[in-house]
Amino acid sequence: AQSVTQPDIHITVSEGASLELRCNYSYGATPYLFWYVQSPGQGLQLLLKYFSGDTLVQGIKGFEAEFKRSQSSFNLRKPSVHWSDAAEYFCAVGAGYSTLTFGKGTMLLVSP
Amino acid sequence: NAGVTQTPKFQVLKTGQSMTLQCAQDMNHEYMSWYRQDPGMGLRLIHYSVGAGITDQGEVPNGYNVSRSTTEDFPLRLLSAAPSQTSVYFCASIAAGGGTDTQYFGPGTRLTVL
Repeated sequence: AQSVTQPDIHITVSEGASLELRCNYSYGATPYLFWYVQSPGQGLQLLLKYFSGDTLVQGIKGFEAEFKRSQSSFNLRKPSVHWSDAAEYFCAVGAGYSTLTFGKGTMLLVSP
Repeated sequence: NAGVTQTPKFQVLKTGQSMTLQCAQDMNHEYMSWYRQDPGMGLRLIHYSVGAGITDQGEVPNGYNVSRSTTEDFPLRLLSAAPSQTSVYFCASIAAGGGTDTQYFGPGTRLTVL
């Protein structure tokens, strides 16, 4: 069965500092991988996705993620965090959008 | 485009009552899905549809029914509500196929079952 682990429940980062959110997955074939962001009281917004090809994926809002097959990881990064990035972030894996399994989320707090 | 719309935004039910959560999209998307979100659990897929007349079960389908009579609408029915169904429900849609497609989520329905 497919699964996603986001080891960090909460992360606090200073504004302007770099960010890395961890995601490890278990999947029986080549996975489709996704990162979503959810602001309080809002639905989810897709940040980026990996289907195939270049393992470094660029997304919206300055985010990027790197697929590392050997480590079963798909970590999300941003070089300089803004206060508006404070939100909950979800990693997901599946054979496509219809069959996604989500991680439990990482709450990002941004300190001034 | 209005995107993905969900009604109602909030709902309180008593155990045993039935209701339908509405979801509609005006982007002519073929794929639509229903998720529930519970604290510390992320999102879990309830049911999904790959086109009008075609539905399938997700990870947590028990207690829920769906139908897809049109491309635009994908209602979720609770036949006999239980407190365990207290959750936030999200509907999502995407155009079929294509690695460049984006999945769009509705704003959610917060359901409380007493």
